[in-house]
Amino acid sequence: KQEVTQIPAALSVPEGENLVLNCSFTDSAIYNLQWFRQDPGKGLTSLLLIQSSQREQTSGRLNASLDKSSGRSTLYIAASQPGDSATYLCAVRYGGATNKLIFGTGTLLAVQP
Amino acid sequence: DAGVIQSPRHEVTEMGQEVTLRCKPISGHNSLFWYRQTMMRGLELLIYFNNNVPIDDSGMPEDRFSAKMPNASFSTLKIQPSEPRDSAVYFCASSLVYNEQFFGPGTRLTVL
Repeated sequence: KQEVTQIPAALSVPEGENLVLNCSFTDSAIYNLQWFRQDPGKGLTSLLLIQSSQREQTSGRLNASLDKSSGRSTLYIAASQPGDSATYLCAVRYGGATNKLIFGTGTLLAVQP
Repeated sequence: DAGVIQSPRHEVTEMGQEVTLRCKPISGHNSLFWYRQTMMRGLELLIYFNNNVPIDDSGMPEDRFSAKMPNASFSTLKIQPSEPRDSAVYFCASSLVYNEQFFGPGTRLTVL
């Protein structure tokens, strides 16, 4: 079964700290992986899409890495700010004909001022 | 770019009533997805379309749910009859096939 796991479920850090969120997937035959954030009561905002042929992707203070062989992706947030507080979800699109995303359960991040 | 547009944003209805949720995808996108999110079950894919054709509806909970995409710029998700357990936030998302998905703001449905 193709599953996506995110650990920890919740994380609290002081402002200014660099942090890493983890995403694990069970099948290495992925097509691409997408990171989202969701603010309370809002929709999902796409942060980064990383293709299976890429090792990492960067956007501002965010850097996503992908290691297919170990079934892992990380989202690195530099110099965290209170505005980064949200739930972060990773989602995997596996190979083959499917266009479906398999979502992890998310990591709830709180950045304390 | 207006992004994915959903309407209504909030819907409160009584058990047994028909509910219709609407979605306008981003112009040029050829894939459209309907999701449901609850505290208990998280984010669930209900159905998705490629080029207006339903590809996978295995997530549709039961026959009370139906979805249509009559053209590339419009889709509906209908629940008839609605039940209290259908209360959730329903999201629509769109993308180019196999590419980055963009979500709408969601419709918060409450069935009394």
